[in-house]
Amino acid sequence: AQSVTQLGSHVSVSEGALVLLRCNYSSSVPPYLFWYVQYPNQGLQLLLKYTSAATLVKGINGFEAEFKKSETSFHLTKPSAHMSDAAEYFCAVSDRSGGGADGLTFGKGTHLIIQP
Amino acid sequence: DTAVSQTPKYLVTQMGNDKSIKCEQNLGHDTMYWYKQDSKKFLKIMFSYNNKELIINETVPNRFSPKSPDKAHLNLHINSLELGDSAVYFCASRFGAGQETQYFGPGTRLLVL
Repeated sequence: AQSVTQLGSHVSVSEGALVLLRCNYSSSVPPYLFWYVQYPNQGLQLLLKYTSAATLVKGINGFEAEFKKSETSFHLTKPSAHMSDAAEYFCAVSDRSGGGADGLTFGKGTHLIIQP
Repeated sequence: DTAVSQTPKYLVTQMGNDKSIKCEQNLGHDTMYWYKQDSKKFLKIMFSYNNKELIINETVPNRFSPKSPDKAHLNLHINSLELGDSAVYFCASRFGAGQETQYFGPGTRLLVL
């Protein structure tokens, strides 16, 4: 079974500082990888995804993530944090081996706090 | 237009009641899902439904049953509600295979008293 580990349930950064949210996956075959953001009392919105095209993936709102097979990681970064980035961030994997009705396996989430 | 919609947004009910949550997607997707988000914000797949094939997460109690009247709808029916069912339930949909993006609804916040 696949699993996703997000290091740090809470991450606090100052406005304008680098944002780094960590995600490691456990799978014998590199899965499809996703980062979603959840703002308070809202649904999940896709930030970016890795599907084996380029290892450095650019997403919305200035976020990007790099897939590193050797480290089984897919960390999310943003060069300069903005107050509006405060939210819950989820890393998720989808199994490559299945077609059809496979769901996402999520990490436990990282709550990003932006200090003024 | 909302891509994935859910009704109701909030649901407060008593233990033992039966309730349904509706989900509709207007994206033309062929696969739909239900996820449960608990009080610690952990998200877990409950069901996936594709071309009339239902795949159930083995940990989901049989009090939960998804019903799909057509490809655009996947409703969730819950019998004999328990306190532990209190959570946020998200519907999602996707087209095609695993690399495709899942689009999530806004969630239904269920509180069982």
